[in-house]
Amino acid sequence: GQQLNQSPQSMFIQEGEDVSMNCTSSSIFNTWLWYKQDPGEGPVLLIALYKAGELTSNGRLTAQFGITRKDSFLNISASIPSDVGIYFCATANTGNQFYFGTGTSLTVIP
Amino acid sequence: KAGVTQTPRYLIKTRGQQVTLSCSPISGHRSVSWYQQTPGQGLQFLFEYFSETQRNKGNFPGRFSGRQFSNSRSEMNVSTLELGDSALYLCASSLGQGGKTQYFGPGTRLLVL
Repeated sequence: GQQLNQSPQSMFIQEGEDVSMNCTSSSIFNTWLWYKQDPGEGPVLLIALYKAGELTSNGRLTAQFGITRKDSFLNISASIPSDVGIYFCATANTGNQFYFGTGTSLTVIP
Repeated sequence: KAGVTQTPRYLIKTRGQQVTLSCSPISGHRSVSWYQQTPGQGLQFLFEYFSETQRNKGNFPGRFSGRQFSNSRSEMNVSTLELGDSALYLCASSLGQGGKTQYFGPGTRLLVL
């Protein structure tokens, strides 16, 4: 199956710091999605990107769809304790098959 | 709009039993996908149903099966449960056309003893 390389695997940061994580693929996609998952719950959609070069914000979160259509990044500014969780990137092909990264575990130290 | 709902939320079974999980997608969504999530393997795609037909399938044994009803609700069945089937089973719904956005339910936590 399709492989998405997501990095870093885990991050430990101080409250108030900015965070950056990214995802790359070997194939071109038309959609990039970013999800956050809390323990024992389903992933929640944070940002959806549908166009190369697109830059979209959702509060303190900003994500970009890479111009090569093979990568995307997610930034979180001024992190707070409730940002703790696992962040997943995902892509989709036109056949509605979704692929997920391995996740970035974020720990925010108060 | 109501989100994706899954029942039950928690389930305990013993080896050899079978289990059926249910998922109701967001109203108007025609595609339902199922995933298995374990700490070591991450999100593993099981299968996707669209308009009552299995459209995509992951690499899981035949013990894992599913179906979709005319109202887009979906069920997933696992027969002859094994200890390794213990996982969080997630259902996700989407409109189903062109690989746009997928929304997840809260999951069913299955423990096999």
